Amino acid sequence: GENVEQHPSTLSVQEGDSAVIKCTYSDSASNYFPWYKQELGKRPQLIIDIRSNVGEKKDQRIAVTLNKTAKHFSLHITETQPEDSAVYFCAARGGTSYGKLTFGQGTILTVHP
Amino acid sequence: NAGVTQTPKFQVLKTGQSMTLQCAQDMNHNSMYWYRQDPGMGLRLIYYSASEGTTDKGEVPNGYNVSRLNKREFSLRLESAAPSQTSVYFCASTQGNQPQHFGDGTRLSIL
Repeated sequence: GENVEQHPSTLSVQEGDSAVIKCTYSDSASNYFPWYKQELGKRPQLIIDIRSNVGEKKDQRIAVTLNKTAKHFSLHITETQPEDSAVYFCAARGGTSYGKLTFGQGTILTVHP
Repeated sequence: NAGVTQTPKFQVLKTGQSMTLQCAQDMNHNSMYWYRQDPGMGLRLIYYSASEGTTDKGEVPNGYNVSRLNKREFSLRLESAAPSQTSVYFCASTQGNQPQHFGDGTRLSIL
């Protein structure tokens, strides 16, 4: 089955700096890669996603890049703010997986004012 | 529009007790999922239902059973709870190639 590795497990930045979280996946048939943000005690919420026919996608301060050849994808947050502090999860979905997602282990992002 | 609703929000059980976690969605989604979340391990799929009338095992199904009662509802049952099943349980749903939407979770402690 699919295996998703996420790094780093913790990330600490100063407000205004950029943050980058990286994930690798094992199944070359995977075609959908969402990123979820989870605040303490809350549900995971989708912040951005990318499909395998696209190399990059941006939404204001957030961007995701996908390298299908290397089987890795990354989340980029620019001009970080304290409210960006949360746990971020990457995930991958295979082509015939009935929508099943395989999640990375998560990254705890802390943005210091 | 409530989205995905899970009940209960919190539960404490004794080892060996049984209970059912309820999940309902009002988005007319075909597919529903149960995950457990443990510290440092992300979300792991327990069972899923690709469509009404079907259920399949995920990554960590041992100790659990599920029922897709109808298109809206997907329940998770612990027949004989064990301390290793202490976790936060999330239900999610989706339709086709759309993103999964999560419920607020059930925090389950087994003593």
